[in-house]
Amino acid sequence: DQQVKQNSPSLSVQEGRISILNCDYTNSMFDYFLWYKKYPAEGPTFLISISSIKDKNEDGRFTVFLNKSAKHLSLHIVPSQPGDSAVYFCAASGQAGNMLTFGGGTRLMVKP
Amino acid sequence: DAGVIQSPRHEVTEMGQEVTLRCKPISGHNSLFWYRQTMMRGLELLIYFNNNVPIDDSGMPEDRFSAKMPNASFSTLKIQPSEPRDSAVYFCASGIRGLIGNTIYFGEGSWLTVV
Repeated sequence: DQQVKQNSPSLSVQEGRISILNCDYTNSMFDYFLWYKKYPAEGPTFLISISSIKDKNEDGRFTVFLNKSAKHLSLHIVPSQPGDSAVYFCAASGQAGNMLTFGGGTRLMVKP
Repeated sequence: DAGVIQSPRHEVTEMGQEVTLRCKPISGHNSLFWYRQTMMRGLELLIYFNNNVPIDDSGMPEDRFSAKMPNASFSTLKIQPSEPRDSAVYFCASGIRGLIGNTIYFGEGSWLTVV
């Protein structure tokens, strides 16, 4: 049973436009959500996070939105750059622990 | 500050051989995780430790897999005997367990190929 799902395996966006990556979760006990970015042959690197007491967190070009009622979060990248091309994983944790459950990832391709 | 350090980066071994993957977490972190990434299953948690104690090993696929954390700065993941279906990238990650879920930081991964 997948508790964290990323339904789009890939996304292609033009440079300068907005990239929107989506993630859904089923476990209502999750209270902390993260996005990781992964380049080939490297480990995932932390990008941005949000706790369930917020509905938005912004860091430069990256903004994460959380809709608790819909159990949905999204990552917005504006403007998108070719260097953003990578696989993006959303992850969730709950109950004051930091064991993360990951989604399957979305491959973002930003075209020049 | 050095990140999570894993070794070996790449390993090719024959079926039936023992494989040992090593991890040095970030200094001061009290949680350590072993993840496996495959095309079919994505990133799956194998086992995690808090303060060197295994907390949840329900993700360990079979008895052929074992993990230890003898001290706060070292952990091993062992596969004995190895099989071709164990071929994957194995990631170690560390973090600090807190009141609210915290970020965990990944190593570069150990790329295992069993032939």
